[in-house]
Amino acid sequence: LAKTTQPISMDSYEGQEVNITCSHNNIATNDYITWYQQFPSQGPRFIIQGYKTKVTNEVASLFIPADRKSSTLSLPRVSLSDTAVYYCLVGVYSGGGADGLTFGKGTHLIIQP
Amino acid sequence: EAQVTQNPRYLITVTGKKLTVTCSQNMNHEYMSWYRQDPGLGLRQIYYSMNVEVTDKGDVPEGYKVSRKEKRNFPLILESPSPNQTSLYFCASSPLWTSDNYEQYFGPGTRLTVT
Repeated sequence: LAKTTQPISMDSYEGQEVNITCSHNNIATNDYITWYQQFPSQGPRFIIQGYKTKVTNEVASLFIPADRKSSTLSLPRVSLSDTAVYYCLVGVYSGGGADGLTFGKGTHLIIQP
Repeated sequence: EAQVTQNPRYLITVTGKKLTVTCSQNMNHEYMSWYRQDPGLGLRQIYYSMNVEVTDKGDVPEGYKVSRKEKRNFPLILESPSPNQTSLYFCASSPLWTSDNYEQYFGPGTRLTVT
């Protein structure tokens, strides 16, 4: 079961690029990495997923080094509305069940004006 | 509209009174899951289901039951609720069992208080 470690909290300012790093030293070969965003009293919302190298979508980029023992979520030009908790998940689904998929405590990102 | 629905959204009950929180999805997803969220503890998985009639324990299954008789529904059952089950509960679904898409779609949450 791949465990993840993230910073408890981060601060930044509007217009800045924010990078949140997640450590997953015992990631397995078949594991995917996914990131979610959660606002208070709402369900988490999927942001991005990746397996290796770099993935980019309309809201974020995900950087995964060759050894895959960590990953970095990059949020370009953040705004106040990006203040939320961000979760990194590492896991895989197989015929025997679903491994990983533990959200943990996440990173509380606070964006200031 | 593709969505996951949960009912009720809010519930106050007393210790020992059996209750069921319903969860339904209209996206034909194979995978469904229940989580609870408590302050300072993040989201913890209670039970999950890979398909109809297939369920498995997550990290905190004690005191809960689930069933998956139909693909779209995944009810969470508390046979004898206790105050330590006061929490915010989320249901989620995902197509991941049949694809490499690991996106989970979450319901709006059910806030349960057990007195």
